[in-house]
Amino acid sequence: DAGVIQSPRHEVTEMGQEVTLRCKPISGHNSLFWYRQTMMRGLELLIYFNNNVPIDDSGMPEDRFSAKMPNASFSTLKIQPSEPRDSAVYFCASRPSDRTTEAFFGQGTRLTVV
Amino acid sequence: GENVEQHPSTLSVQEGDSAVIKCTYSDSASNYFPWYKQELGKRPQLIIDIRSNVGEKKDQRIAVTLNKTAKHFSLHITETQPEDSAVYFCAASRGYDMRFGAGTRLTVKP
Repeated sequence: DAGVIQSPRHEVTEMGQEVTLRCKPISGHNSLFWYRQTMMRGLELLIYFNNNVPIDDSGMPEDRFSAKMPNASFSTLKIQPSEPRDSAVYFCASRPSDRTTEAFFGQGTRLTVV
Repeated sequence: GENVEQHPSTLSVQEGDSAVIKCTYSDSASNYFPWYKQELGKRPQLIIDIRSNVGEKKDQRIAVTLNKTAKHFSLHITETQPEDSAVYFCAASRGYDMRFGAGTRLTVKP
């Protein structure tokens, strides 16, 4: 398995534009997490899914952020409209149904909003 | 939800010395505690984990201890080497949830 795959690796966009980040979890993993990493706030949990269903989205900072998981092999995190303070590295992670096992991280998407 | 606090935020040690990083958590129902290492520009990767039914776990130079009563757990690295320099994150997990501490930047000086 290639691991968790995120795209794009880098994204530079102008303020006000829509940004869509993509994630393909490891096949067979039931849980999927989106995290945001900044120097100031560390690794923040934004939202997580189990069996494609959003379980907790209380970490999503504003209504400008939305996430979907239409099937077991794909998830998106969308920011519309984007703002400079959204600049961060966004990680997707997945793990199996056994909730006492590690989460595997993707390579991350470095987002810069100018 | 779960709240995880991690200390110190930065740690500098001499090569060969030990390093200790401590975390506390708030949700007594948390039952899985992984530690991740993140090198510059890379993804976090698991280095060791512990489940709530044990108090200590070792893997070569790395060990983790868990005190469920006090709700804290610690990472111990012995005989540190320059390649141990990285950011280390603790996490606590209950059910589907997994939340991370703010991270500790460890620098090992040769």
